[in-house]
Amino acid sequence: QVQLQESGPGLVKPSETLSLTCTVSGGSMNGYSWSWIRQPPGKGLEWIGFISYHEITDYNPSLKSRVTISIDTSKNKFSLKLSSVTAADTAVYYCARGKGWSAYWGQGTLVTVTS
Amino acid sequence: EIVLTQSPGTLSLSPGERATLSCRASQSVTTNYSAWYQQKPGQAPRLLLYDVSTRATGIPDRFSGSGSGTDVTLTISRLEPEDFAVYYCQQYGSSPPTFGGGTKVEIK
Repeated sequence: QVQLQESGPGLVKPSETLSLTCTVSGGSMNGYSWSWIRQPPGKGLEWIGFISYHEITDYNPSLKSRVTISIDTSKNKFSLKLSSVTAADTAVYYCARGKGWSAYWGQGTLVTVTS
Repeated sequence: EIVLTQSPGTLSLSPGERATLSCRASQSVTTNYSAWYQQKPGQAPRLLLYDVSTRATGIPDRFSGSGSGTDVTLTISRLEPEDFAVYYCQQYGSSPPTFGGGTKVEIK
């Protein structure tokens, strides 16, 4: 059974860079795309971007200037970096398998932007 | 980007009743690339349907999807106690993939 687990700081200061890692277990990363999705408290879902196993990326235009997604298939991990964060970036961040629909999601990690 | 509008915002029903949730897109969704998710408090979304009407692994057949173009529908034929949750539609036919604002199905 494929499992995903997000990790990273739960608090980030304004203007700094949010960094999260997703560790994939129970299956290979090869042949799949891997996404980041976020959900502000009490609100809906927003797709951030994806990376394929061969490192092709696509980002949400609303975040593109600040987002970098990378992958290390040898370590079964992929990562998210979001720069110049503000309070509006406070959200639960999910990693998921797939670039369209996603059947496998991490449990999510709350990242709060606060000074 | 394609904007998805879900209706109603809240649906108040009793167990055993039928639930019909709608999702309208601001433009036609390519090749019926639409999905539905269920989310309960404190949990990640759970995939119910993809490609409009294909049930994900382990999803009971009381969940069904229909529609095409700009309008898709999720139907829950008979609500079970565990079905009370928030439901989101998603389109992935054009980038960026987008989600609707959600429909909350609550116990009446």
